[in-house]
Amino acid sequence: NAGVTQTPKFRVLKTGQSMTLLCAQDMNHEYMYWYRQDPGMGLRLIHYSVGEGTTAKGEVPDGYNVSRLKKQNFLLGLESAAPSQTSVYFCASSTDRIRSTDTQYFGPGTRLTVL
Amino acid sequence: GQSLEQPSEVTAVEGAIVQINCTYQTSGFYGLSWYQQHDGGAPTFLSYNALDGLEETGRFSSFLSRSDSYGYLLLQELQMKDSASYFCAVKNQAGTALIFGKGTTLSVSS
Repeated sequence: NAGVTQTPKFRVLKTGQSMTLLCAQDMNHEYMYWYRQDPGMGLRLIHYSVGEGTTAKGEVPDGYNVSRLKKQNFLLGLESAAPSQTSVYFCASSTDRIRSTDTQYFGPGTRLTVL
Repeated sequence: GQSLEQPSEVTAVEGAIVQINCTYQTSGFYGLSWYQQHDGGAPTFLSYNALDGLEETGRFSSFLSRSDSYGYLLLQELQMKDSASYFCAVKNQAGTALIFGKGTTLSVSS
């Protein structure tokens, strides 16, 4: 099993450009998440999904959109990139057992720079 | 909403014991998790406490006191490879996602 994979690994954008980050998992997990990580800020939840066709806002959703058309894929879109969106983006997935360990499995990250 | 506080940095020497504290404020509590992240890598799960007390996994232990909204991660017999960032996390109010603290950077020296 590949676990959680993210595409691309690195990307440089100019302000105003758009792009989509792809996350894929092969563990048949119901829940998927997008986080951003900035120095000194830890991991901040952008959007998440509790199942195919559903999405929900996290702590810092502004400027991002997501889609979960297939259970194994979770897409993060930036419609008009801004320098403030320069960050490392992590995708994660987990099972749907709320009152349990519910371990999250993270992808390797996408390093995005917006100039 | 959910919020967590943990020290930003901790330093220790090889073979020592270090404790990383975490206090939290939550609307609804499902448990406290700990994740480790090496520089440039992905976070990986370390431990989870839903009930009060100590959970031990090898050199790592995690403690929870729900009445104090407090937990800690205890690392024993420190090794250089333990140099990493450590995050505590709680679930959001709906129990559907994790909210992470800002992380504690542990530096282990020889």
